[in-house]
Amino acid sequence: DTAVSQTPKYLVTQMGNDKSIKCEQNLGHDTMYWYKQDSKKFLKIMFSYNNKELIINETVPNRFSPKSPDKAHLNLHINSLELGDSAVYFCASSQEPLAGGYTFGSGTRLTVV
Amino acid sequence: DQQVKQNSPSLSVQEGRISILNCDYTNSMFDYFLWYKKYPAEGPTFLISISSIKDKNEDGRFTVFLNKSAKHLSLHIVPSQPGDSAVYFCAASASGNTPLVFGKGTRLSVIA
Repeated sequence: DTAVSQTPKYLVTQMGNDKSIKCEQNLGHDTMYWYKQDSKKFLKIMFSYNNKELIINETVPNRFSPKSPDKAHLNLHINSLELGDSAVYFCASSQEPLAGGYTFGSGTRLTVV
Repeated sequence: DQQVKQNSPSLSVQEGRISILNCDYTNSMFDYFLWYKKYPAEGPTFLISISSIKDKNEDGRFTVFLNKSAKHLSLHIVPSQPGDSAVYFCAASASGNTPLVFGKGTRLSVIA
């Protein structure tokens, strides 16, 4: 029973398309995140939601729009995909950021061609 | 601007020996530090953490050391096993619900 699950695992799409990545956690955590791991392998925070409310939005283009219908789900919608959006996107959740760290999903590898 | 730095992209160690992975940080507001382990095609998994009020935390074969004055932490794995081969990420957080900031990772290879 996966704690944090992301779908799809792989996504190949053309430039200009719109795509969504879904994330669900069954841990009962209050906070969920999206991280991006680029080609240089940095894991960078994109968004953080606490109980369905956006609490952190790093410098991310407006083409990226997170949506949290409830505290167990945090989906990421990307409009007008660009080549530079190619990366691995990780969803994570936590109950207390300072206790036990985050639980990550297995990642979604997005390739824009 | 890298706030968390792992300057060694890779490390190779023989089975049974000690692995030492290093991490430096620049933000003096960081007060909680974590190590994550990542296998290919999987998400990072939490390994061990340390609060800034401590200088050492041990969990089985894994020990994390923190030197606040040097803004440096290290992860010791002893004895190293082939199953420890993975990418290890150092992460740090400041109080107040700030998100974890990660280093670039160090790829550890444990050779049998």
